[in-house]
Amino acid sequence: DQQVKQNSPSLSVQEGRISILNCDYTNSMFDYFLWYKKYPAEGPTFLISISSIKDKNEDGRFTVFLNKSAKHLSLHIVPSQPGDSAVYFCAASAVGNQFYFGTGTSLTVIP
Amino acid sequence: EAGVTQSPTHLIKTRGQQVTLRCSPISGHTSVYWYQQALGLGLQFLLWYDEGEERNRGNFPPRFSGRQFPNYSSELNVNALELEDSALYLCASSRGLNYEQYFGPGTRLTVT
Repeated sequence: DQQVKQNSPSLSVQEGRISILNCDYTNSMFDYFLWYKKYPAEGPTFLISISSIKDKNEDGRFTVFLNKSAKHLSLHIVPSQPGDSAVYFCAASAVGNQFYFGTGTSLTVIP
Repeated sequence: EAGVTQSPTHLIKTRGQQVTLRCSPISGHTSVYWYQQALGLGLQFLLWYDEGEERNRGNFPPRFSGRQFPNYSSELNVNALELEDSALYLCASSRGLNYEQYFGPGTRLTVT
């Protein structure tokens, strides 16, 4: 049972434009969410997190939005750069439990 | 600060053999997690260790096992290897429950 879903396996965006990566979850007990970026042949790199007490968290070009009622979170990258091309994973956890990861979205930023 | 390290980086084994993968967490991190990423799939949770104890395991058969040592490093053992065990095995560490996880570079296992 996939508790965290990333329904778009891939996304292409022009350099300088906004990239929006989406993630849906089914477990209403999830209260902490992470986004990771992964280049080929490397381990995922932590990008940004958000807890359920917030609906937005910003770090430079990266902003994560959380909509608890819709059980949906999104990662916005503005402006997108070619170096952002990677696979992005969202992850969610409930207190005292492990993180559940989505299947990833492959982002390609076109110069 | 040194990151999570894993060894070996690549491994080729034949079906039926056994393999041991190793992971050293970031200094100060007590939790270690193991994930499997098969080709074209997302990260599948394998095992979670914290303070030397197994806290949870994912939906994998018992031939996947591991342990965490007093220095918080960890081993993942896979017995009776099958072809579908070919994957990237990722180790991550964190300061504890509900803290972000930091990943190592992974071990690429190929079973022939």
